[in-house]
Formats: sequence, structure tokens, C-alpha cells
Amino acid sequence: AQSVTQLDSQVPVFEEAPVELRCNYSSSVSVYLFWYVQYPNQGLQLLLKYLSGSTLVKGINGFEAEFNKSQTSFHLRKPSVHISYTAEYFCAVYNQGGKLIFGQGTELSVKP
Amino acid sequence: ETGVTQTPRHLVMGMTNKKSLKCEQHLGHNAMYWYKQSAKKPLELMFVYSLEERVENNSVPSRFSPECPNSSHLFLHLHTLQPEDSALYLCASSQDRIQGWAPLHFGNGTRLTVT
Repeated sequence: AQSVTQLDSQVPVFEEAPVELRCNYSSSVSVYLFWYVQYPNQGLQLLLKYLSGSTLVKGINGFEAEFNKSQTSFHLRKPSVHISYTAEYFCAVYNQGGKLIFGQGTELSVKP
Repeated sequence: ETGVTQTPRHLVMGMTNKKSLKCEQHLGHNAMYWYKQSAKKPLELMFVYSLEERVENNSVPSRFSPECPNSSHLFLHLHTLQPEDSALYLCASSQDRIQGWAPLHFGNGTRLTVT
């Protein structure tokens, strides 16, 4: 069965520090990979997606993620974060079987 | 106006009440979804509609009853709920159910509390 694991439930960082949110998936077939962000009291918004091609994908607000097939990972990175990036981040995987599976989320807390 | 609008934003209901959640999308999408978001748990897909036809029902109790009268509107009718049904209910839409690469567009959710 396919699954998505977000390795950290909470990530506290100081403003302007770099951040990496980790995501691993299990799938024996080709997948599409997504990162969504949920700000307080809002729904989820698409941050970036990997469908094919270059393994480094860029999204909104300068976020980027790298698809690593051998490691089955899709970690999200940002070189420098702002307090406004405090939110919950969800990794999601869609496979050819037609299922979109979300991880449990990582709460990013940016402190001044 | 936002792409996907959900009403109400907050709802408190007793276990014997009947209420409905409403979702409307202005994006011209063909697929609509209901998700349940509980604390510390992954999003749970409840129902999927594609071109107004229900294509997925993930073992959701019958006290939740979806309705999709047209491709722009989706309802979730609630009756005799349990306290464990308290959660954030999110509506989403996508361009096409078949093409999995099409991202989901979410509403801001309805925060439901069952007393």
C-alpha cells in the first residue's frame, strides 16, 4: 500500500534561517508529488508539484523541492524563512492507481 | 471572490440536529471533493464527484450524505452526528478527476463542533 511519511510533526526555526521539511513516500510505480501549505484558519494551497522532468521544482514564495527517486523522497526547502511562513505543510503523492495520499503534516513555526 | 467558497465557516450542532454544509466553486472545474481534517491525522477523503456523479465513497458513515446538484455546487448533509465527527471539513475542486496531476483548490473549510 502506498504511504506518505512526513518525518517531523513540528519544525521550529528562527526568522531568516534555512528550513527543510522532509517527506518520504512508498510506491512501486510512477508518482506525482505535491506540497501544499495551510495557513491558520484557511484551506490548503498548492505550493509546488513534481510531474516529470527536472527533479528540482520551484514553487511560490521561493520554496523548492527535490525529487529523489532512489531515496523515495521529496523534501521541501527554503533558504531563508519569514514569520509569515508559519503554517502547516502537507506532502502528497498521487499514483497511477488514482489515489491522492496526504502526509500527516509538518507544522512550521517561525520565531522572531 | 475566492475560487472555492464554503459556508458556514463555523457550525455547532447537537447530536440530534440536521444541518448542511455548502461548497461552491467558481473555477469551471469538473470534479469536487469532501475531505475531513482532524487534529494530528492525515486528511481523509470522504467523497468525490466527477461531472456531478459520485465516483468515490470511502466507507463514510451514512450520517454523512453528499449531494452535487451541478458541477459548481456540493453539499454535505449531516444528521445524528457523534462528537468524534467534530473536525474541519474541507471542500476542494479540480479540473479533472482523471488527470491526477491537476492540483486541488480548497475552500477555507467549515469548523464543525458536535456537542
